[in-house]
Amino acid sequence: AQKVTQAQTEISVVEKEDVTLDCVYETRDTTYYLFWYKQPPSGELVFLIRRNSFDEQNEISGRYSWNFQKSTSSFNFTITASQVVDSAVYFCALSEPEKGGSEKLVFGKGTKLTVNP
Amino acid sequence: DSGVTQTPKHLITATGQRVTLRCSPRSGDLSVYWYQQSLDQGLQFLIQYYNGEERAKGNILERFSAQQFPDLHSELNLSSLELGDSALYFCASSLAGAGYYNEQFFGPGTRLTVL
Repeated sequence: AQKVTQAQTEISVVEKEDVTLDCVYETRDTTYYLFWYKQPPSGELVFLIRRNSFDEQNEISGRYSWNFQKSTSSFNFTITASQVVDSAVYFCALSEPEKGGSEKLVFGKGTKLTVNP
Repeated sequence: DSGVTQTPKHLITATGQRVTLRCSPRSGDLSVYWYQQSLDQGLQFLIQYYNGEERAKGNILERFSAQQFPDLHSELNLSSLELGDSALYFCASSLAGAGYYNEQFFGPGTRLTVL
């Protein structure tokens, strides 16, 4: 069964602090994809990154970085030098092959990040 | 702007009523997905259509139905509404199909309030 766990419900930091959002997933498949989405207060879901199960290279995009470790089934997200605009709910999601080829996403419960000035 | 449009943005209705939510995918995307976001259930997959055909069903109630039209826009129909159906309904689209795992781009959502 597919499952995504984001154990941190809420995190509060002060601007310029680094913050890591944890994501642990469960899957029986060897081929799967992991995603991070951001939901700012305005409500839309913004795609941040997609990573496939065969690519364990860490990724960096500006102040954002992602650490994928298959050995611990984790796909953690770090924001360096956080800013107030980073305040949002962040969702980790998993997609794995299914009969019929569905690419549905299974989401974690989300982590609400508040960055205080 | 993701390129996915959803109408209406807000919908307020009464229990027992029926509503239709509309979604237009990004140009070129063949798959449309519907998700429900509620406080207690979080973000849950409802149903996926690919090029007009139903591809997968998730936790979609029998009172809910969807379809994807030849121009690829999709509608989610919710009937016999209950208070618990109040939620944010997202549509997403992707180029995905036949095993391709592209990112899904989400629309702004339709906030449904059932009174």
